[in-house]
Amino acid sequence: EVQLLESGGGLVQPGGSLRLSCAASGFTFSSYAMSWVRQAPGKGLEWVSVISGSGSSTYHADSVKGRFTISRDNSKNTLYLQMNSLRAEDTAVFYCAKGHSSGWNDAIDYWGQGTLVTVSS
Amino acid sequence: QLVLTQSPSASASLGASVKLTCTLSSGHSNYAITWHQQQPEKGPRYLMKLNSDGSHSKGDGIPDRFSGSSSGAERYLIISSLQSEDEADYYCQTWGTGIHVFGTGTKVTVL
Repeated sequence: EVQLLESGGGLVQPGGSLRLSCAASGFTFSSYAMSWVRQAPGKGLEWVSVISGSGSSTYHADSVKGRFTISRDNSKNTLYLQMNSLRAEDTAVFYCAKGHSSGWNDAIDYWGQGTLVTVSS
Repeated sequence: QLVLTQSPSASASLGASVKLTCTLSSGHSNYAITWHQQQPEKGPRYLMKLNSDGSHSKGDGIPDRFSGSSSGAERYLIISSLQSEDEADYYCQTWGTGIHVFGTGTKVTVL
């Protein structure tokens, strides 16, 4: 059974940093791309970042480019999102999501339960 | 620019059918999409990947009541025999050069 368990969310001040983690199990982690998707309170889903199965390809949404970095440790079956220079508009539930294949350019087919990030002074 | 357009809301009676539409922007009519369901206060759930030819592959445990079809730049999600638990937000998603895109979602109300 595929399981994705996010952690690392919490309250952070504007301009601060936070690192999210996603522990994956139930599938061969290195064989699948992974993404981060967020959802601001009362809003729709917004794609944030994607990384290929090998980690060689990464892409970020324009709204977070230069501030967020996606990475993965395939030896630990763990996905990360390093978030710097956080803004109030980054407040959202962040979801870890599994790709349908190893390439970044494919569907999302499993979701984690999400972790809440609140940026406020 | 890669954009997905969805109607904000749809409704149908218990036991009836509803058809949701996701429209791909100009120049992207051959793209595959995925449909995701988000029930109130829950995380999203993958429903299916839908190709431009209408072929689709559903997620684990997704009931046969959920099906998909395609016509040109439009991708459809059809929910038959509507149940109360189908009341949810439905998002389509696709991907392009270095980006992924979500539609704005359709809220389905079961009357």
